[in-house]
Amino acid sequence: GAVVSQHPSWVICKSGTSVKIECRSLDFQATTMFWYRQFPKQSLMLMATSNEGSKATYEQGVEKDKFLINHASLTLSTLTVTSAHPEDSSFYICRPVGNTEAFFGQGTRLTVV
Amino acid sequence: AQSVSQHNHHVILSEAASLELGCNYSYGGTVNLFWYVQYPGQHLQLLLKYFSGDPLVKGIKGFEAEFIKSKFSFNLRKPSVQWSDTAEYFCAVRGRQAGTALIFGKGTTLSVSS
Repeated sequence: GAVVSQHPSWVICKSGTSVKIECRSLDFQATTMFWYRQFPKQSLMLMATSNEGSKATYEQGVEKDKFLINHASLTLSTLTVTSAHPEDSSFYICRPVGNTEAFFGQGTRLTVV
Repeated sequence: AQSVSQHNHHVILSEAASLELGCNYSYGGTVNLFWYVQYPGQHLQLLLKYFSGDPLVKGIKGFEAEFIKSKFSFNLRKPSVQWSDTAEYFCAVRGRQAGTALIFGKGTTLSVSS
């Protein structure tokens, strides 16, 4: 079955630094990748949709200059949280678009101190 | 506006009790519906999904859900819960069009006591 690898699984960074999260589809090509964010005790909220070879589209209220998304190949999409602040601490999850909704990345727990 | 509403924020049951978690959605057009489970410290797992056909769908771990179009509902059920069912449950909807993102409900925490 389709496998999605998200890295790192957890990261602690200092306020003001940037963090890059990678999401790889290991055995299929994903032209589209969804990025979600989940705050504690809350649901997953769609942040942005990345498309291979083109600019990502962001949901309302998500700063595109803060959350940089790159989808340079059909198997890799990256989310970079720039100048991270404590309020960015959250669980970030990717999901490539395929023929099933079963596969999500393992998620990245980001803690900004 | 597109949205998913899960009525129960926290459900507490004893083992062997029956479970029903409510889910209603608001979405223009034909939809696909999903239930996911998230065990503590783990990532999301797909429990079941409805695309078309029989509105009563069966999933893994003994769960089932019924799509009632007239009520815009997709409630999750299990006849007899186990302690291992303790988890967070999310209902989600998306449009039929390819590449449409999932919209999630806020989730229901299920706690099962042994």
